[in-house]
Order: sequence, then C-alpha cells, then structure tokens
Amino acid sequence: SQTIHQWPATLVQPVGSPLSLECTVEGTSNPNLYWYRQAAGRGLQLLFYSVGIGQISSEVPQNLSASRPQDRQFILSSKKLLLSDSGFYLCAWSVAVLGDTQYFGPGTRLTVL
Amino acid sequence: TQLLEQSPQFLSIQEGENLTVYCNSSSVFSSLQWYRQEPGEGPVLLVTVVTGGEVKKLKRLTFQFGDARKDSSLHITAAQPGDTGLYLCAGEKSGAGSYQLTFGKGTKLSVIP
Repeated sequence: SQTIHQWPATLVQPVGSPLSLECTVEGTSNPNLYWYRQAAGRGLQLLFYSVGIGQISSEVPQNLSASRPQDRQFILSSKKLLLSDSGFYLCAWSVAVLGDTQYFGPGTRLTVL
Repeated sequence: TQLLEQSPQFLSIQEGENLTVYCNSSSVFSSLQWYRQEPGEGPVLLVTVVTGGEVKKLKRLTFQFGDARKDSSLHITAAQPGDTGLYLCAGEKSGAGSYQLTFGKGTKLSVIP
C-alpha cells in the first residue's frame, strides 16, 4: 500500500531563517506531487506541483521554492522566512494530474516568529 | 477571487440531527471532490462526483452534483460525533497544460454528543 510521510511535524522558526520541509511517498512510482499551504480561514492554496523528477510548476509567486531530487521525494524550501509563511503545509500525491484523487500527508505546522 | 464558496463556514449541531453543507461556484467543473480533514491531519477524500445531477451515497452521507456542474451539496443524516471535522470541496477544471484543482475554504462541523 502507498504511504506518504512529512517531516518535521511541527516547526518554529525565526523570521529570516531558512526552511526545508521534506515529503516522501512509498509504494508507488512516478507519482504526481503537490505542496499546499493551509492558512487559518483561507482554505488550501496550491503552491507547487511536480509531474516528474526535476519538473516543478509554481502556482503562486512567493518566498518559497520546491525541488524534486528523486522520484518519490519532494522538498519545500525557503532562504529567508517571513511571518506570512506561517501555516499548515501539506504534501499530496496522485496518479494523474487532473481530476484524480489526491492523497495527503499528515502535514507540517510551521510557525514563524 | 474565491472560485468555490462553501457554506456555512461553521456549523454546530447535536448528535442525531441532519445537516446540509453547500459548495457553490459560478464556474463549471469537470468533477468535484469532497474531503474531510481532522485537526492536525491532512484531508482525506470522501467522494468524487463527475456527472451533472449525480448523487452518491456513503453510509449516512449523501453527495449531489448540480445539474450544471457548478455546485454540490453534502447531506449528513443522523450526525454523530465522529462526523466532526472540516469538510472541503475541491473542483477540477480541464485546462490544456495547466493544473486546476481549486479548494473551498471549508465548513467546520462540530457534532455535540
């Protein structure tokens, strides 16, 4: 069966510090991968998606970047965090990009102080 | 601009009551998905509706896709405390070369024992 992992589960970082969140998927090959941010009262916002190694599409220009160094690994990064980067970050995978079920990881709660 | 409007935003009911939550848009969607999210966890897919007018039942949950594929509703019969959570709808729009799955802000349901 497929599983998706995210770490860390929670993170408290000062403004201006770097960020690296990791997501890995097991039990499937060549998944489509997604990073979402869920801020209070704002629903899920798609940040990045990837259909293959090294292929990243950005949905919203911002202070963050994503990378996919391996087939089942997706990393969300920032060089300098802003207060507005606080939120709940969710990684998800699917078999197809459009109209397919997305399976979400447990999320990372990021607080920038 | 929020493409998908969910209502009500918050709902608190007694165990055993019935409820309906709505997901509305002025846009047409190829399909619409409903997810439930519990605090501190990622969303979990409940159902996908594809055909206008389609009705799907999942135990005490009934999902309906509007005839024009612009709106959807979720009806829960005899709500139980285990139904508590954030209910999210997500609409998929076909678009050549682009990924478009838009989430609503969700309805936060609390079922009081």
